[in-house]
Amino acid sequence: KNEVEQSPQNLTAQEGEFITINCSYSVGISALHWLQQHPGGGIVSLFMLSSGKKKHGRLIATINIQEKHSSLHITASHPRDSAVYICAVRSKGGSEKLVFGKGMKLTVNP
Amino acid sequence: GAGVSQSPRYKVAKRGQDVALRCDPISGHVSLFWYQQALGQGPEFLTYFQNEAQLDKSGLPSDRFFAERPEGSVSTLKIQRTQQEDSAVYLCASSLVGGTSVGELFFGEGSRLTVL
Repeated sequence: KNEVEQSPQNLTAQEGEFITINCSYSVGISALHWLQQHPGGGIVSLFMLSSGKKKHGRLIATINIQEKHSSLHITASHPRDSAVYICAVRSKGGSEKLVFGKGMKLTVNP
Repeated sequence: GAGVSQSPRYKVAKRGQDVALRCDPISGHVSLFWYQQALGQGPEFLTYFQNEAQLDKSGLPSDRFFAERPEGSVSTLKIQRTQQEDSAVYLCASSLVGGTSVGELFFGEGSRLTVL
């Protein structure tokens, strides 16, 4: 079992839809990152969180430490949101390395 | 520079060739990471530097892979005697903080290596 699992693996939505991307992890963590990767490789950090909820524009990230689960929500989705969304966790215990999920490919159609 | 810069963006190598991939992190960033991303997969950790010290190299897949950051800024990932399975995008990321602090990561565009 992978330490970080994302669901769904692929999602196609219509412009304007509310989208939820899920991430479950199996280890104790000190932080969780949500990342966006566009075709061509560039990765942008969207959120880094260790508890609660963060909001930036149309994006909302939540984390439930007890349930080892995080969600990324996109409100009023737009075709430019089409990308791969990756969840990555930093394990407790001082290790600096991130463990990444495989990512979820989102396609938003106009 | 304003962001993390990687070069070359694309590299095609013949099997057995040595390659060197460069990462220029954001100025002043303490932490530097190298990741390997195979097609359709999430990035996998290779190695981590805090300043010039390589604190974790547990992800390097074989002794053909070597990374250095001699002056605590620019880093080079070297792959000797490349094999086809080395074909991947190699991502570099840097963070302002290190140690037990958790900092936001800034990624480069990646270097896409294709081994023929």
